[in-house]
Amino acid sequence: AQSVSQHNHHVILSEAASLELGCNYSYGGTVNLFWYVQYPGQHLQLLLKYFSGDPLVKGIKGFEAEFIKSKFSFNLRKPSVQWSDTAEYFCAVATDKLIFGTGTRLQVFP
Amino acid sequence: NAGVTQTPKFQVLKTGQSMTLQCAQDMNHEYMSWYRQDPGMGLRLIHYSVGAGITDQGEVPNGYNVSRSTTEDFPLRLLSAAPSQTSVYFCASSTSPSGRADTQYFGPGTRLTVL
Repeated sequence: AQSVSQHNHHVILSEAASLELGCNYSYGGTVNLFWYVQYPGQHLQLLLKYFSGDPLVKGIKGFEAEFIKSKFSFNLRKPSVQWSDTAEYFCAVATDKLIFGTGTRLQVFP
Repeated sequence: NAGVTQTPKFQVLKTGQSMTLQCAQDMNHEYMSWYRQDPGMGLRLIHYSVGAGITDQGEVPNGYNVSRSTTEDFPLRLLSAAPSQTSVYFCASSTSPSGRADTQYFGPGTRLTVL
């Protein structure tokens, strides 16, 4: 069965700091990978996705993620965070269904 | 084009009561699913459907039933509510008929409290 792990449960940063959120999955076959964001009081929105091709994918709002197949990882990065990036971030893996990680709560202070 | 709609937005139940959470989409998506979101546990898949008449269990199906009589609607039924079912429920849909999920479109959620 597929599973997704997000090891960072709560991350606190100052504005302009760099961000990297870890995501590892377990599944032996081909997967599609996603990062979703949930701003306070809102529902989930897609940040970026990887289906095939270039393993470095760029998403909205300056986010990017790198798929490393040998490490079963799909880490999310942003060079310089803003206060408005405060939200919860979910990694997800799709095979025949979409499974989410437990989420990482990001707080960015001015 | 309303996207994915869910009703009600809020609901309070007593233990043992039953109810149905409604979900509808107007994008002609084949794949629909229900998740529950709990603090520290992320989103967990309850049930999903790859098309009308086809449903399957997700990670946490116990206590919930679903049916898919039309492409548009995917209701979630709580047969006998328990306090452990207090959660926020999200419905989602996508174009992928095989369930190999393309971008998921999420509804606004239903916040359910079971006393």
